[in-house]
Amino acid sequence: EAGVTQSPTHLIKTRGQQATLRCSPISGHTSVYWYQQALGLGLQFLLWYDEGEERNRGNFPPRFSGRQFPNYSSELNVNALELEDSALYLCASSPGQGIGVLTFGAGSRLTVL
Amino acid sequence: DQQVKQNSPSLSVQEGRISILNCDYTNSMFDYFLWYKKYPAEGPTFLISISSIKDKNEDGRFTVFLNKSAKHLSLHIVPSQPGDSAVYFCAASRDSGYSTLTFGKGTMLLVSP
Repeated sequence: EAGVTQSPTHLIKTRGQQATLRCSPISGHTSVYWYQQALGLGLQFLLWYDEGEERNRGNFPPRFSGRQFPNYSSELNVNALELEDSALYLCASSPGQGIGVLTFGAGSRLTVL
Repeated sequence: DQQVKQNSPSLSVQEGRISILNCDYTNSMFDYFLWYKKYPAEGPTFLISISSIKDKNEDGRFTVFLNKSAKHLSLHIVPSQPGDSAVYFCAASRDSGYSTLTFGKGTMLLVSP
């Protein structure tokens, strides 16, 4: 069974640009979560999607947004990139309705220059 | 304000001995606690969990202890093996669905042969 897959593995952008990160959940999972892990910090909750809807949002500015597609894959968009957005972005999935242990992908490393 | 704290950034243990990783939390609304393990270049993987109605949960070499009055939990690994070398994250949730996890910064465990 394929796990949670994320792309790209690495992404380099300059300040002010936009970044798009993608995530495919485990087959059958309908909930997708996004977390940010900046250097020296723990994982910070960003967004939770379930059945195509945004269910909850962490304490991040509106330039962080995303969506979930009908096939339950998800996209995280970060607009007007700032240097402090440089981090590992982790996607996780769970069976649905916010229930179940989260299974994480390997992450996408975003570097903002 | 950090609601989940792992005050030891690193821990070194010899193979065969006990590893004890500690975690403190400040939010009394947290009722569910999880430990995740993360190897380099991989996503965090779920290890063990405990709810506040219990004070101990055991799974093979891994045992989690919860002291709710002290808002403290610990993960014991006995015996420790070199393959246990990884970063361990403590996480807490208000709900049993784990839809919004609050993570600590992690403790890097190094088990030497």
